[in-house]
Amino acid sequence: AQSVAQPEDQVNVAEGNPLTVKCTYSVSGNPYLFWYVQYPNRGLQFLLKYITGDNLVKGSYGFEAEFNKSQTSFHLKKPSALVSDSALYFCAVRASMIKAAGNKLTFGGGTRVLVKP
Amino acid sequence: DSGVTQTPKHLITATGQRVTLRCSPRSGDLSVYWYQQSLDQGLQFLIQYYNGEERAKGNILERFSAQQFPDLHSELNLSSLELGDSALYFCASSVTGTGGRTEAFFGQGTRLTVV
Repeated sequence: AQSVAQPEDQVNVAEGNPLTVKCTYSVSGNPYLFWYVQYPNRGLQFLLKYITGDNLVKGSYGFEAEFNKSQTSFHLKKPSALVSDSALYFCAVRASMIKAAGNKLTFGGGTRVLVKP
Repeated sequence: DSGVTQTPKHLITATGQRVTLRCSPRSGDLSVYWYQQSLDQGLQFLIQYYNGEERAKGNILERFSAQQFPDLHSELNLSSLELGDSALYFCASSVTGTGGRTEAFFGQGTRLTVV
């Protein structure tokens, strides 16, 4: 079974400082990895994805994520956080071996990011 | 705007009742996914349809059912509702059903409150 762990329920960071949101995954075969952000009373918005190739993936709003196969991690990063980045962030994994797991996207429990001015 | 439309946005109903949640996917998307988001369970995958056929099933209760129609819109039916079914229900859509490389786009959700 595939699973995602986001070990931190909340991350607090000062505006202008680097932001990191951690994610580790478990899946059969090669993973497809995604990050989504959820603002209050809104749906999830896609930020970025890793499918194959370069381990450093760049996405929307200045976010990037680094895929590390040996550590089965896909941490989300932003060099300089903004107050407007305060939201709930979800990491998700999908198995590339579709026959085994269907096409479902399995999410982590979410990490709340609070950026203080 | 993701292009995925969910109706209604809010729903308040009594225990024991039945409700239907509706989802219109993005134009051209063949896959529809349903998720339940609650405070204690996080974001749980319920079910996926691809071009009218069930493709994957998650933690969906027997009291819940879904279908995808020929025009690709989908409905999630929740029956014999209990207080614990109160949650935010999301629909998402993506282009492919088997490739897996494409991201899913989420609607704004239906907030269900069972009283």
